[in-house]
Amino acid sequence: GNSVTQMEGPVTLSEEAFLTINCTYTATGYPSLFWYVQYPGEGLQLLLKATKADDKGSNKGFEATYRKETTSFHLEKGSVQVSDSAVYFCALNQGAQKLVFGQGTRLTINP
Amino acid sequence: SAVISQKPSRDICQRGTSLTIQCQVDSQVTMMFWYRQQPGQSLTLIATANQGSEATYESGFVIDKFPISRPNLTFSTLTVSNMSPEDSSIYLCSGKDRADEQYFGPGTRLTVT
Repeated sequence: GNSVTQMEGPVTLSEEAFLTINCTYTATGYPSLFWYVQYPGEGLQLLLKATKADDKGSNKGFEATYRKETTSFHLEKGSVQVSDSAVYFCALNQGAQKLVFGQGTRLTINP
Repeated sequence: SAVISQKPSRDICQRGTSLTIQCQVDSQVTMMFWYRQQPGQSLTLIATANQGSEATYESGFVIDKFPISRPNLTFSTLTVSNMSPEDSSIYLCSGKDRADEQYFGPGTRLTVT
């Protein structure tokens, strides 16, 4: 079945550091890929998505590129801020099938 | 994008009681879902809420414990029945729109004592 694996956290960085959170997936065919963010005490928000190979999703300075050859969708940001502290979830779905989540990566940014 | 609201936002309940969580979407969605998120964990799908018919439950979840209703396209309820401390979790409602994007409510934080 489909699955998503994220790098284990927690991840702690200083403000303005470069961020990478790794995400790889297992799926048959061509799933859509997503990154969700969960700020403390809140629900999940869709951060960005990509629906086909080589697509790049971007939002709020975050980017992720759909790499079919490496089955990856790594999240990157060039300069993080304290306000980016949250839990980040990589996810995939295929058509009408359910959304499959990774285990989540807790990110803390120190001033 | 869809905006999803839930109530209550949190509750503390006694063992053996039941709690009904309401979910309202501001626009029509094709599918609605209920998830559970235990402390520090990822999301686990409980069931897909089907309009006007019985929900479709995932393995490990049963209707007697988590009855779900969806009387129309924009509203659903989840009941957590005969609660025990193991049911303490965040329960999240979600809706998928025609663009296949899935949106989440803010969650209901349930503590069972």
